[in-house]
Amino acid sequence: SQQGEEDPQALSIQEGENATMNCSYKTSINNLQWYRQNSGRGLVHLILIRSNEREKHSGRLRVTLDTSKKSSSLLITASRAADTASYFCATDARQGAQKLVFGQGTRLTINP
Amino acid sequence: DGGITQSPKYLFRKEGQNVTLSCEQNLNHDAMYWYRQDPGQGLRLIYYSQIVNDFQKGDIAEGYSVSREKKESFPLTVTSAQKNPTAFYLCASSMGGGSYNEQFFGPGTRLTVL
Repeated sequence: SQQGEEDPQALSIQEGENATMNCSYKTSINNLQWYRQNSGRGLVHLILIRSNEREKHSGRLRVTLDTSKKSSSLLITASRAADTASYFCATDARQGAQKLVFGQGTRLTINP
Repeated sequence: DGGITQSPKYLFRKEGQNVTLSCEQNLNHDAMYWYRQDPGQGLRLIYYSQIVNDFQKGDIAEGYSVSREKKESFPLTVTSAQKNPTAFYLCASSMGGGSYNEQFFGPGTRLTVL
């Protein structure tokens, strides 16, 4: 049951540039989370945004949420080589939000 | 040193064998989850548990079984009924069930069927 879909599937940029990843979902949500996964590792939580929030910041990360368009974006500013990873959005369904549904992910490569 | 651990890191199984993947957490979390990840794909939920002695099927539970006898432990058994078990398995935990809690992930177990 796919809820979140990330776009693009892959993104390659130069170090120092900004990276933007998008997530679209199908049904109303309570919360949306973003996670990072380094190759062959477990996921690490980055940020949670609630349905009544429009924007949230954490360090070099900026997340926006547009519930009318059912979409979210993750912006990483001043990218570094260490930001190379896959990024996933995870959403719930407004009814019975007991579990998360993860998207396919965006594979981000930062070139030095 | 709090965290969530999985063992083994790599596991090889012959066809027809059952194997059990271990997941332990010392974060005092109530909820635990098992996910499967195939190459280049997202995570798919196998089973989850919100409290000891209770668990629910996720989206792809067929061929898998779990138990939750202790708060700290949530082992996953991959049975011979799972026709395509080669994958990366991730365990996670959260303070409570629900999407308002962040999930903490273990390092994963890579299962290969020979």
